[in-house]
Amino acid sequence: KNEVEQSPQNLTAQEGEFITINCSYSVGISALHWLQQHPGGGIVSLFMLSSGKKKHGRLIATINIQEKHSSLHITASHPRDSAVYICAVSRGNEKLTFGTGTRLTIIP
Amino acid sequence: NAGVTQTPKFQVLKTGQSMTLQCAQDMNHEYMSWYRQDPGMGLRLIHYSVGAGITDQGEVPNGYNVSRSTTEDFPLRLLSAAPSQTSVYFCASSNWGVQDTQYFGPGTRLTVL
Repeated sequence: KNEVEQSPQNLTAQEGEFITINCSYSVGISALHWLQQHPGGGIVSLFMLSSGKKKHGRLIATINIQEKHSSLHITASHPRDSAVYICAVSRGNEKLTFGTGTRLTIIP
Repeated sequence: NAGVTQTPKFQVLKTGQSMTLQCAQDMNHEYMSWYRQDPGMGLRLIHYSVGAGITDQGEVPNGYNVSRSTTEDFPLRLLSAAPSQTSVYFCASSNWGVQDTQYFGPGTRLTVL
């Protein structure tokens, strides 16, 4: 079992739908990151959180430390949201462990 | 600011050749790291540095060397390239570690024949 598991692996939705991507991890962590990788390959940090909830525009990230689970939500999805979303966790301050990503496709 | 830059963007090597992937950042970040990304696998840490003169191994360090002589630069050296090192390589940096926002370079796509 991988230390970081993401679901679903692939997700296709219609424009405007509410999107949820899940990340579960197996050990205690100090921080969790959500990253976005566009088809061109570049990786951008969306959120870093260690508790509670963060919001930026149409994106919301939540984390439940007791359940070792985080979710990334996208409201009013748009084709430009099509990308791979990656979850990563840290147990100290030196190393990140990454999930394999969720490929999201938003159809107009 | 240019952020994190990587060169080259693409490289083809023959087995046994050596080369250096360059990574530089202009944000005065202490923490820098190298990852490889392979199909169906998450990003994997190769080497990292918490400051100039300090480097350490990650999850998959074999076949790679690093040095950090300045805050800005963190080159990754492939000593004797092997087909198993065919991958996309990303450099990242942050102010003080992985409990901080990570900034990624654009990546280098390496093919070893």
